[in-house]
Amino acid sequence: DGGITQSPKYLFRKEGQNVTLSCEQNLNHDAMYWYRQDPGQGLRLIYYSQIVNDFQKGDIAEGYSVSREKKESFPLTVTSAQKNPTAFYLCASSLTGASSGANVLTFGAGSRLTVL
Amino acid sequence: AQKITQTQPGMFVQEKEAVTLDCTYDTSDPSYGLFWYKQPSSGEMIFLIYQGSYDQQNATEGRYSLNFQKARKSANLVISASQLGDSAMYFCAMREGNTGNQFYFGTGTSLTVIP
Repeated sequence: DGGITQSPKYLFRKEGQNVTLSCEQNLNHDAMYWYRQDPGQGLRLIYYSQIVNDFQKGDIAEGYSVSREKKESFPLTVTSAQKNPTAFYLCASSLTGASSGANVLTFGAGSRLTVL
Repeated sequence: AQKITQTQPGMFVQEKEAVTLDCTYDTSDPSYGLFWYKQPSSGEMIFLIYQGSYDQQNATEGRYSLNFQKARKSANLVISASQLGDSAMYFCAMREGNTGNQFYFGTGTSLTVIP
C-alpha cells in the first residue's frame, strides 16, 4: 500500500544535540512538507519541497534544516539552534501542478520529539 | 490576520446525533481549496473532505458534509449520526490558488462523542 513512513515514532534528545527525523513516501508525490504541532495549536509549516534538490522555508524554519536528494525522501534535522524543539512533527506529501485543485495532503503517523 | 479560524476548542455530541464544527477562512485569492482533517489520539492526520472555491454544490463524503458559504467565508463540517469513533481533533485547512502548495491550518476542535 502507498503511504508515508516516518521514523522514529518517539525520540528523546539531550540539549545541544542534533537529531534527524526520517520521512519516506511511495506515493510518487512531487511535494513534501514538514509541520510542527504543539498542544493547543494547529500545524505550523517548517519547510516544504516541490521538487528534488529544491526546498523553501515555511513559517518556523529557524533551527531546522532539510534535504531533498530523492523524490521519495525528505528528512528533517532539528539542530541545537532550535530553542524549543519538544513537539510532534508531521511529514506530508501531495501532488502538484495546474490541476492540483483537489490535491490532498497525505500525512505520515508523526514523530514525537522530547528534549530532556 | 489568521487564514483559518476555528472558534470551538471543544465540542460534545450525543451518539447518533449530528454536530457542526465551525471554520472561517480569510483569503483574497478567488481560487482556493478547503479541507477537513481528523486527528485521533494516535496522531495521524486523516483527510475527510474537500471543497473547491468554484464548486457549486456542497461536498459530501458519507457521514461528512461541508456547509460552504462563500460570501460568509465559512466552511463548516457537519458530521451526521455521530459515532464513538468520531471522538478526535478536527482541523480545517485551506490552500490558496490552483498551484499553491502552502496549506494553512486552524487550531482545531476537540470533539467528544458521548454514549
